[in-house]
Amino acid sequence: DSGVTQTPKHLITATGQRVTLRCSPRSGDLSVYWYQQSLDQGLQFLIQYYNGEERAKGNILERFSAQQFPDLHSELNLSSLELGDSALYFCASSVQRNEQFFGPGTRLTVL
Amino acid sequence: AQKVTQAQTEISVVEKEDVTLDCVYETRDTTYYLFWYKQPPSGELVFLIRRNSFDEQNEISGRYSWNFQKSTSSFNFTITASQVVDSAVYFCALKVRSTDKLIFGTGTRLQVFP
Repeated sequence: DSGVTQTPKHLITATGQRVTLRCSPRSGDLSVYWYQQSLDQGLQFLIQYYNGEERAKGNILERFSAQQFPDLHSELNLSSLELGDSALYFCASSVQRNEQFFGPGTRLTVL
Repeated sequence: AQKVTQAQTEISVVEKEDVTLDCVYETRDTTYYLFWYKQPPSGELVFLIRRNSFDEQNEISGRYSWNFQKSTSSFNFTITASQVVDSAVYFCALKVRSTDKLIFGTGTRLQVFP
């Protein structure tokens, strides 16, 4: 158990819908990262937050947004969902800039 | 630009065999970090090791060992006396000093048969 929690574990929704994925980092970790794992794109970095502020952006679509709250948990919002958004979404956290510990992931299926 | 290449898509071995997973990286940064993660069938990503670019010492942890060679830009991972529980997808990743994001390779699926 990495100490990073993600909810829900599975999510099934329809095209055009909006969903919110939630992540709680390990105790004491200020950085939260979101990654997407799909069959065609592999593991890709989406976005990083550090202590409530956006620090880095990767290949994140405009339909996707994220935020980190004062209690350091983070949410990834995916809107206008398309079939191609079906993937495993991971949250990770780290202390300073060291190794990242990943949560169990949220498997999103868009029908 | 940074890149990680794991040329072996899938490897199958029989229990107790030794197996080496290859990882080749590309970066122009002089300070960088290399990682290995394991993704078992249950799906989570498990951190295995981090190596800094200025530390070329090889590391051994039980049946696992890592060989870092800057001259060939490689960071290979060897499992000695493999076990069925080692069956997983293994990812090599790179992080450069100027950013915190991990750049992952495409992974190597290891199947260990009894």
